[in-house]
Amino acid sequence: DSGVTQTPKHLITATGQRVTLRCSPRSGDLSVYWYQQSLDQGLQFLIQYYNGEERAKGNILERFSAQQFPDLHSELNLSSLELGDSALYFCASSRVATNEKLFFGSGTQLSVL
Amino acid sequence: AQTVTQSQPEMSVQEAETVTLSCTYDTSESDYYLFWYKQPPSRQMILVIRQEAYKQQNATENRFSVNFQKAAKSFSLKISDSQLGDAAMYFCAYRSATWFLTQGGSEKLVFGKGTKLTVNP
Repeated sequence: DSGVTQTPKHLITATGQRVTLRCSPRSGDLSVYWYQQSLDQGLQFLIQYYNGEERAKGNILERFSAQQFPDLHSELNLSSLELGDSALYFCASSRVATNEKLFFGSGTQLSVL
Repeated sequence: AQTVTQSQPEMSVQEAETVTLSCTYDTSESDYYLFWYKQPPSRQMILVIRQEAYKQQNATENRFSVNFQKAAKSFSLKISDSQLGDAAMYFCAYRSATWFLTQGGSEKLVFGKGTKLTVNP
């Protein structure tokens, strides 16, 4: 168990809908990262938050948004869903120091039908 | 921007044998970290081994070792005495140690596309 909790584990929805993925980082970790894993694109970095503030953006679509709350949990919001958004979405967390490893949650499998 | 390339989409090995997974990366930075992550069918991302770029000595973790060639920007993973439980996707990843010197920089992990390892009994 990595200590990073992601809910839900599976999500099935229809095109055009909006969903929210939730991530609770390990106790004491201030950084949260979101990744999207698909067969054709591999593991793509979406966005990072550090202590409530956005730190870096990657290949995140405008239809996607995220935030980190004062209790450090994070939510990834996906709207106007398309078939191509079907993927495994990972959350990871780490402490402040750069040489600390990232701990990954077990992911949310999103299926858009 | 940094990139990570894994040129072997799939590899296979006999149980108890040794296999080497390849990884190359591209960066203009001199200080960074390299990682190998394992993703079994359970989908969990598990850290296998980590290498600091400033260290010349190759990292080892039990049956797992790396061959880090900084000048060649190569970072291969060797698995000795392969076991059935080693079957998984393996991802090579890069992490900047000087991200704060770059506008918009981040200590995020940059991953390769992965290598699927099959272990045959």
